[in-house]
Amino acid sequence: AQSVTQLGSHVSVSEGALVLLRCNYSSSVPPYLFWYVQYPNQGLQLLLKYTTGATLVKGINGFEAEFKKSETSFHLTKPSAHMSDAAEYFCAVTVPVNNDMRFGAGTRLTVKP
Amino acid sequence: KAGVTQTPRYLIKTRGQQVTLSCSPISGHRSVSWYQQTPGQGLQFLFEYFSETQRNKGNFPGRFSGRQFSNSRSEMNVSTLELGDSALYLCASSSGQGGPDTQYFGPGTRLTVL
Repeated sequence: AQSVTQLGSHVSVSEGALVLLRCNYSSSVPPYLFWYVQYPNQGLQLLLKYTTGATLVKGINGFEAEFKKSETSFHLTKPSAHMSDAAEYFCAVTVPVNNDMRFGAGTRLTVKP
Repeated sequence: KAGVTQTPRYLIKTRGQQVTLSCSPISGHRSVSWYQQTPGQGLQFLFEYFSETQRNKGNFPGRFSGRQFSNSRSEMNVSTLELGDSALYLCASSSGQGGPDTQYFGPGTRLTVL
């Protein structure tokens, strides 16, 4: 079955610094990949997704992610962190044959002033 | 379009009781998935319903069950509650038609078992 691994359960950056959250996937077929964000006491909000086509995917709030098949990675980046980016971020994978979405353990992003 | 709604938002129960959670999907979506989120285990898939049938199931005991109605609304039931069932229960809806089927999440129901 497909799976994702998020490297780093906690990431701390300064306001204005680059945000890099790492995600590696495992799948026997071409995957669909997602990043979600969760703010305290809320559900998950879709940031961006990769299905097919362009490997650099742009999402909401200035985030983007690049699908790298050779590295089985789908890292999330944002050039300049904002205080409002502090939240928990989840990478997820699913495959075309089913709707079984598998999530990573999550990365908690802290933004320091 | 209105988003996914879940009721109630908060619940407090005692061990041994049972509980029913409700989820209303985005209009037009036919698939509803349920997840349990805890600090220790993270996000775990419970089950998915599509057109009133359970299509996928995670690795949870039979105390966890669900159903889906003809209007795609779904309920999840947990019987004989245990302390370890305390969690945020998230519902997600999608078209269910296959392909890049994006799941959209509700705000969750926070269940506390005392």
